[in-house]
Amino acid sequence: EPEVTQTPSHQVTQMGQEVILRCVPISNHLYFYWYRQILGQKVEFLVSFYNNEISEKSEIFDDQFSVERPDGSNFTLKIRSTKLEDSAMYFCASRTDTYEQYFGPGTRLTVT
Amino acid sequence: AQTVTQSQPEMSVQEAETVTLSCTYDTSESNYYLFWYKQPPSRQMILVIRQEAYKQQNATENRFSVNFQKAAKSFSLKISDSQLGDTAMYFCAFMIGAQGGSEKLVFGKGTKLTVNP
Repeated sequence: EPEVTQTPSHQVTQMGQEVILRCVPISNHLYFYWYRQILGQKVEFLVSFYNNEISEKSEIFDDQFSVERPDGSNFTLKIRSTKLEDSAMYFCASRTDTYEQYFGPGTRLTVT
Repeated sequence: AQTVTQSQPEMSVQEAETVTLSCTYDTSESNYYLFWYKQPPSRQMILVIRQEAYKQQNATENRFSVNFQKAAKSFSLKISDSQLGDTAMYFCAFMIGAQGGSEKLVFGKGTKLTVNP
């Protein structure tokens, strides 16, 4: 069964450094998303992406964040200058035509 | 504002018994989608079940079923014949903005379910 994959599973970085989180959505899906979950809290929407552009973004998704689909398979989230409060689990998701969003296993980002 | 409320932070059930997790939501939209996701200790988000608001029939997926009450804006999840592997955090989610990729999921705070042997 096809699934969303994410790399790395765990990323440790120092405050102020840039990180790139990678995702490979399910191959026939056209809509992609990033969510984050701070430990012990609910999952929060960051951004949606379709047809090579951002469709919607939340207040969290400020100028420090960017997304890109550099080729036909990868979907990346970049954080330019990480802050301590960016420490969270980051989930990539892609969806079917019937609006079911399938999540990847997540990347745990730790900013020190 | 679109919100999802899960009023039970924690629940427990004995193996093989039935448990119901509650969820209410607030929206002014007439057509939308509702979901339940399961998050085991691995923290992976797993889609359990989906319900379209325009469908009166409640969705079912094997041991999982929902009780969707549109007028009351209620969307509860029933797990029958509970298994130890059902132990997880369960999130109710509501999808808003269903237009060509601009939609997003709004999640509740979750209910931690423990299935006891």
